[in-house]
Amino acid sequence: AQSVTQLDSHVSVSEGTPVLLRCNYSSSYSPSLFWYVQHPNKGLQLLLKYTSAATLVKGINGFEAEFKKSETSFHLTKPSAHMSDAAEYFCVVSDRSNTGNQFYFGTGTSLTVIP
Amino acid sequence: GAGVSQTPSNKVTEKGKYVELRCDPISGHTALYWYRQSLGQGPEFLIYFQGTGAADDSGLPNDRFFAVRPEGSVSTLKIQRTERGDSAVYLCASSLLGQGYEQYFGPGTRLTVT
Repeated sequence: AQSVTQLDSHVSVSEGTPVLLRCNYSSSYSPSLFWYVQHPNKGLQLLLKYTSAATLVKGINGFEAEFKKSETSFHLTKPSAHMSDAAEYFCVVSDRSNTGNQFYFGTGTSLTVIP
Repeated sequence: GAGVSQTPSNKVTEKGKYVELRCDPISGHTALYWYRQSLGQGPEFLIYFQGTGAADDSGLPNDRFFAVRPEGSVSTLKIQRTERGDSAVYLCASSLLGQGYEQYFGPGTRLTVT
């Protein structure tokens, strides 16, 4: 069965310090993995995705994530947090299940950036 | 190009009424998904279409919820006899079929049942 676990429901960092949002997954197949961001009262926006190419993936706004198969992890990082990064972040896993393309969402991590 | 659009953006209805929520996906996207998002929660899967057919409707909470996609493009989510617990933001997403393609989300419809 496929599932995603976001290990922290809330993360708080100071502006200018590194961000780490943790995600572990389980998948029966070779998965694709995604991070989405949702700002308050806004739609979901794709930050980055992993699709079995390079394990270190760079996304928008300075975010990146590393796929580690041995640890079944896909943690999201950013070297220096900006106030505009405050939002909800979702880790998503996708694979070709017997019903086709299916996506499984984590429960989300709320990022607070302290000035 | 145009993204996923959803109408209406807001819908207020009385308990017991029928509502329809519309999703217009990105042209050429075969896969279409409906989710429900309550305040402070992640998206909850409702139904997934491949073309005109529902490939997976296991997330529909009960038989008051129904969705169609008759021509493989626009989809309508229909809720009968609405209840206050149906209040949420209903999200639609579309994607190309195949491993590795991401979902593109619409802005959502905020449904309030009074």
